Amino acid sequence: EVQLVESGGGLVQPGGSLRLSCSASGFSFNNYAMHWVRQAPGRGLEYVSSLSSNGFSTYHADSVKGRFTISRDNSKNTLFLQMSSLRVEDTAVYYCVKDMGPYSSSSRGGFDYWGQGTLVTVSS
Amino acid sequence: EIVLTQSPATLSLSPGERATLSCRASQSVSNSLAWYQQMPGQAPRLLIYDASNRATGIPARFSGSGSGTDFSLTISSLEPEDFAVYYCQQRSNWPLTFGGGTKVEIK
Repeated sequence: EVQLVESGGGLVQPGGSLRLSCSASGFSFNNYAMHWVRQAPGRGLEYVSSLSSNGFSTYHADSVKGRFTISRDNSKNTLFLQMSSLRVEDTAVYYCVKDMGPYSSSSRGGFDYWGQGTLVTVSS
Repeated sequence: EIVLTQSPATLSLSPGERATLSCRASQSVSNSLAWYQQMPGQAPRLLIYDASNRATGIPARFSGSGSGTDFSLTISSLEPEDFAVYYCQQRSNWPLTFGGGTKVEIK
């Protein structure tokens, strides 16, 4: 059974930093691209970042570029999101998401497994 | 950035009725479109990918169609567990984008 378990969320002041982790199990983690998607309270889904299976190809939404960094440790089946210079508008539930294929840049397939999310609250 | 516009924002229907949800892209995304269902307090679930392919374990009452800029998700006969919010997503161009969602509520 595929499982994605996020951790690391919490309350942080504007300008602060957090590191989210996603522990993956039930599939060959090193064969799949992974993503982060967020959802502000009461709002829709917003794409954040993507990383290819081998960790060489990354993409970040403009809203987080230069502040967030996605990475992975395939030896530990773990995905990360390092967040810095946090803003109030970054407040959201952050979901760790598995791709159907290895390439984050692929135009095919979908996001077939989602974690339950971790809440990040940016407030003074 | 490709903008996905979903309509209607809310669809009020009764169990057993047919639901048709629309997703329109601001430019062509070919067939690089997926649909997700989100129940309250839960993570989204993949329903349809590549515009018309059902994901693993998704009931046959869910179907997707369209290409280019106009897409539809059809639920042939609504079950009680289908009342939820539905999102479309394109992965034709960066950044990947989601539509604003359609809420299917019980009439």
